[in-house]
Amino acid sequence: AQTVTQSQPEMSVQEAETVTLSCTYDTSESDYYLFWYKQPPSRQMILVIRQEAYKQQNATENRFSVNFQKAAKSFSLKISDSQRGDAAMYFCAYSQGGSEKLVFGKGTKLTVNP
Amino acid sequence: DAGVIQSPRHEVTEMGQEVTLRCKPISGHNSLFWYRQTMMRGLELLIYFNNNVPIDDSGMPEDRFSAKMPNASFSTLKIQPSEPRDSAVYFCASSLAGSWSYNEQFFGPGTRLTVL
Repeated sequence: AQTVTQSQPEMSVQEAETVTLSCTYDTSESDYYLFWYKQPPSRQMILVIRQEAYKQQNATENRFSVNFQKAAKSFSLKISDSQRGDAAMYFCAYSQGGSEKLVFGKGTKLTVNP
Repeated sequence: DAGVIQSPRHEVTEMGQEVTLRCKPISGHNSLFWYRQTMMRGLELLIYFNNNVPIDDSGMPEDRFSAKMPNASFSTLKIQPSEPRDSAVYFCASSLAGSWSYNEQFFGPGTRLTVL
């Protein structure tokens, strides 16, 4: 079964600085998708960014970008110019191609300090 | 669109009672998912439906849990009888499944269940 591991239970960053959240996954499949979800204190799960495994180019969404290392099965999230609104739990997730199921990591709590 | 709607937002009940959680997916979406979130186990997929039909219920913990989707705009997750270890946040999500790539899941606000 596929697994997703987030080794950093908590991270902190100063406002305007850059932070990188780590994620590794285990799969024998070649067709899959990877995601980062944000869960602020409101509990709402929000999709931040996604990456298709067949794409070599790293996905970017404004201040959010990923470093996708397929051979290493690593999928880190970089947040640039951190803002107070970025404070949240961040979950890495995996979905096998052709399946609708999402497998989530345990999450990383990000604190943004003024 | 109002997004995925869940009710109630909070539920407190006593052990042994029946609990029913409700979900209204985004109009036009044809897949619906139920997740449970706890500190110990994180986010787990319990069951998902496609076109109102249960596709995968392998995450349903035991027979005390049941889920239905009588029509495209409504689903329920029922726990009977409830136990303190069922205390968690339950999320419903929906997506528009198709033959192309990946279909984003949109999550509801969750129901926080406390079983005393």
